[in-house]
Amino acid sequence: QSVLTQPPSVSEAPRQRVTISCSGSSSNIGNNAVNWYQQLPGKAPKLLIYYDDLLPSGVSDRFSGSKSGTSASLAISGLQSEDEADYYCAAWDDRLNGWVFGGGTKLTVL
Amino acid sequence: QVQLQESGPGLVKPSQTLSLTCTVSGGSISSGSYYWSWIRQPAGKGLEWIGRIYTSGSTNYNPSLKSRVTISVDTSKNQFSLKLSSVTAADTAVYYCAREKGDYMDVWGKGTTVTVSS
Repeated sequence: QSVLTQPPSVSEAPRQRVTISCSGSSSNIGNNAVNWYQQLPGKAPKLLIYYDDLLPSGVSDRFSGSKSGTSASLAISGLQSEDEADYYCAAWDDRLNGWVFGGGTKLTVL
Repeated sequence: QVQLQESGPGLVKPSQTLSLTCTVSGGSISSGSYYWSWIRQPAGKGLEWIGRIYTSGSTNYNPSLKSRVTISVDTSKNQFSLKLSSVTAADTAVYYCAREKGDYMDVWGKGTTVTVSS
């Protein structure tokens, strides 16, 4: 049972838009920045979004992040087959004094 | 361009201690205000943060693993290490090291698979 809650899977057609939700609490998302990681099959996680909505250099602007209260979302527009991956949200938890991750969401591009 | 590389035994016997090292290249482990973390991922499952260390030696550990984890840093070798004691099959996973820049992990190693089995 992960501290942050994500849907196990989402799917959408190419060129469409999909959102992945991440729900937490006041001790993590509600009080700290949310980061998103993309994990391609067989690869290490890669930073996708940081500080709720910022894109690292080199990350496509088809990816965007947002946060409201104790929930955050990752949106991917103009879906491409290369976006098929597992996506994880993460935040620092003040009560646990450590990083917590969502359980991950598997994105399938139909 | 900082890169991280995990190394250590791929097979550990139950009840023994798992020991891994993360070597930092392309930059000094002591420069900048970074934390250095360990994260693991059992096959087919999600990410679990194990703990982190600051170059000063200050550490934070996952409460669920705290009694078995020790993370240390060797600035002379530009490495930091993980020791996990009394391992069981549940500790079988891919282990990643990562750099924390501010409030996010911006650089990850490629990961190393550790299997706990007799």
